[in-house]
Amino acid sequence: AQSVTQLGSHVSVSEGALVLLRCNYSSSVPPYLFWYVQYPNQGLQLLLKYTSAATLVKGINGFEAEFKKSETSFHLTKPSAHMSDAAEYFCAVSGKNRDDKIIFGKGTRLHILP
Amino acid sequence: DAEITQSPRHKITETGRQVTLACHQTWNHNNMFWYRQDLGHGLRLIHYSYGVHDTNKGEVSDGYSVSRSNTEDLPLTLESAASSQTSVYFCASAPGTSRREQFFGPGTRLTVL
Repeated sequence: AQSVTQLGSHVSVSEGALVLLRCNYSSSVPPYLFWYVQYPNQGLQLLLKYTSAATLVKGINGFEAEFKKSETSFHLTKPSAHMSDAAEYFCAVSGKNRDDKIIFGKGTRLHILP
Repeated sequence: DAEITQSPRHKITETGRQVTLACHQTWNHNNMFWYRQDLGHGLRLIHYSYGVHDTNKGEVSDGYSVSRSNTEDLPLTLESAASSQTSVYFCASAPGTSRREQFFGPGTRLTVL
């Protein structure tokens, strides 16, 4: 069975500081990995995805994530936080078979301090 | 522009009543999904459909049903609403080429009293 664990349900960073949101996955087969973002009162939108090509994946709004097989991690980073980054972020995992479902983590709420 | 909409956005109902939440997408996606979002649980899959007349149970399907009579719509029905079904419900759709790259609607906040 596949699963993801997001470390920290709430993370606070100062505006301009590095954003690091942690995600570890569990999967018996090479997975697909995703980060979704949910802004207040909105649905989720895809931020970036890893599908076994480059291990460093660049997404929208300056975010990127690195797939590290040895650490079973897929942490999300952004060099400089902006107030507009305040949102909830979900890490997700899926197998590569067409019928495999996405399994979402419980989410990390990112707070940006002025 | 193509989009996915949900209605109503907010709903308050009483225990035991039947409730239907609408989901409509204009992406022409074959794949549609219903999730519920609860604090501390993230998103959990309720039902999903890979095409017209196809429906499948997800992780938390008890007390819910769906039907797919056309490509655009996947209504979610709570047969007899329970307080445990108070939640935020999200509909999503995905193209046939990538079921995992899902486009989400804005959500429906349902309160069962």
